[in-house]
Amino acid sequence: GENVEQHPSTLSVQEGDSAVIKCTYSDSASNYFPWYKQELGKRPQLIIDIRSNVGEKKDQRIAVTLNKTAKHFSLHITETQPEDSAVYFCAVLLYNFNKFYFGSGTKLNVKP
Amino acid sequence: SAVISQKPSRDICQRGTSLTIQCQVDSQVTMMFWYRQQPGQSLTLIATANQGSEATYESGFVIDKFPISRPNLTFSTLTVSNMSPEDSSIYLCSTGDRGGHEQYFGPGTRLTVT
Repeated sequence: GENVEQHPSTLSVQEGDSAVIKCTYSDSASNYFPWYKQELGKRPQLIIDIRSNVGEKKDQRIAVTLNKTAKHFSLHITETQPEDSAVYFCAVLLYNFNKFYFGSGTKLNVKP
Repeated sequence: SAVISQKPSRDICQRGTSLTIQCQVDSQVTMMFWYRQQPGQSLTLIATANQGSEATYESGFVIDKFPISRPNLTFSTLTVSNMSPEDSSIYLCSTGDRGGHEQYFGPGTRLTVT
C-alpha cells in the first residue's frame, strides 16, 4: 500500500502570513495528489490538485508543488485570511489500485 | 463536479441494531467509495463500491459488518451492522471519475451508537 505522512499537525499563523503544509509518500506509482479543506462539521472540499507530470500548480493564493524524486508535495497558502482556518488533508492516488490514501490532517488557525 | 447527497444526515441508534446509509449522485460515476471519519481524525477508506460486483474492502473492514450495495452508476448504500458505540463516527461516500481523479465527497452521515 501507500504510506502518507503530513506535517505539521497544527499550524498557527498571523493573518497575511504564508502557510506551508508538507506531505510525503512512499509509492513511486502514485500519480495524483489532491489537497482538501475541511471546515468544522462540513465535508472535505477539493481545493487544488497536481498530477505527477507537473511540478507546480497555482490557483490565486493557493499553490501546490511536487517533488517526485523526493516523494513529497506541499500546499502553500499566501496572504492567509481567517476564513482559511480549517483542517487540510493531503491525499495520494495509487493509480493501479484506484484508491486514495489520506494524510493525517493539519489544523490551520489564522489569527486576525 | 458531481452533486452528492446522503441520507440520513445523522442518526442515533441503539447498540446491536443496523443502519443503512444511502448515497445518491446526480450523474453516472465510475468509482464510489465509502469512508469513515472519527472525530478529529483523518479519513479511513472502508471499501470501494463496485457496480455489478462485490465491494472491495480495506484491511480491517469486512462485508458482514459493512455490507455495501451498488445497483447502478449513481447510487450506493452502506450498512453498519450489529452496531456498537465504537461505530460512532461520520460516514462519507465519495465519487471519482475514470482513474479515480478528482474525488468529491458527500455531506456525511453522523452516526451515534448508544
